[in-house]
Amino acid sequence: AQSVTQLDSHVSVSEGTPVLLRCNYSSSYSPSLFWYVQHPNKGLQLLLKYTSAATLVKGINGFEAEFKKSETSFHLTKPSAHMSDAAEYFCVVRTYSGAGSYQLTFGKGTKLSVIP
Amino acid sequence: DAGVTQSPTHLIKTRGQQVTLRCSPISGHKSVSWYQQVLGQGPQFIFQYYEKEERGRGNFPDRFSARQFPNYSSELNVNALLLGDSALYLCASNSRDREGQETQYFGPGTRLLVL
Repeated sequence: AQSVTQLDSHVSVSEGTPVLLRCNYSSSYSPSLFWYVQHPNKGLQLLLKYTSAATLVKGINGFEAEFKKSETSFHLTKPSAHMSDAAEYFCVVRTYSGAGSYQLTFGKGTKLSVIP
Repeated sequence: DAGVTQSPTHLIKTRGQQVTLRCSPISGHKSVSWYQQVLGQGPQFIFQYYEKEERGRGNFPDRFSARQFPNYSSELNVNALLLGDSALYLCASNSRDREGQETQYFGPGTRLLVL
């Protein structure tokens, strides 16, 4: 079965410093991986996705993630944190659920706090 | 273009009641998925529908059911509500690119509170 593990439940950074949110995946074949962000009392917004093209994926709002097969990792980074980045971030793997359909399997989430 | 819309935004029910949640996908998308997000956890997959047919089902009891209409909108029904059904229910509109890769775009959710 495919799964993702988010290594930190809570990350706190100062405004203007780099962000690193860590995610490891488990998959028997090349996975499709995503990062979603959820602001308080809001739905989920797609930040970026990896689907076996370029290993370095650029997303919205200055975020990017690098797929490293040797390390089974898909960490999310941003060079400089902004106050508006404070939110919950989910690492997600797409799993085949039969009959030509797919489901998303979510990690437990990492809450990012940004200190002014 | 309108994104995924869900209604109602909030709902309060009592144990044993039944609830219906509604979702309209992005125009042109023929597939929707439903997820349950309990407070403090990541979303859990409930159903996927494609052109009115159920294509996938998560590990949820038969009290949960859904359907998709000819205009691709969808309803999620939950019968005999339990306190543990209190959650944010998310609908996702599913698109597939030319390479067959699927991406899911989420609506704002319906927050259900069961008392």
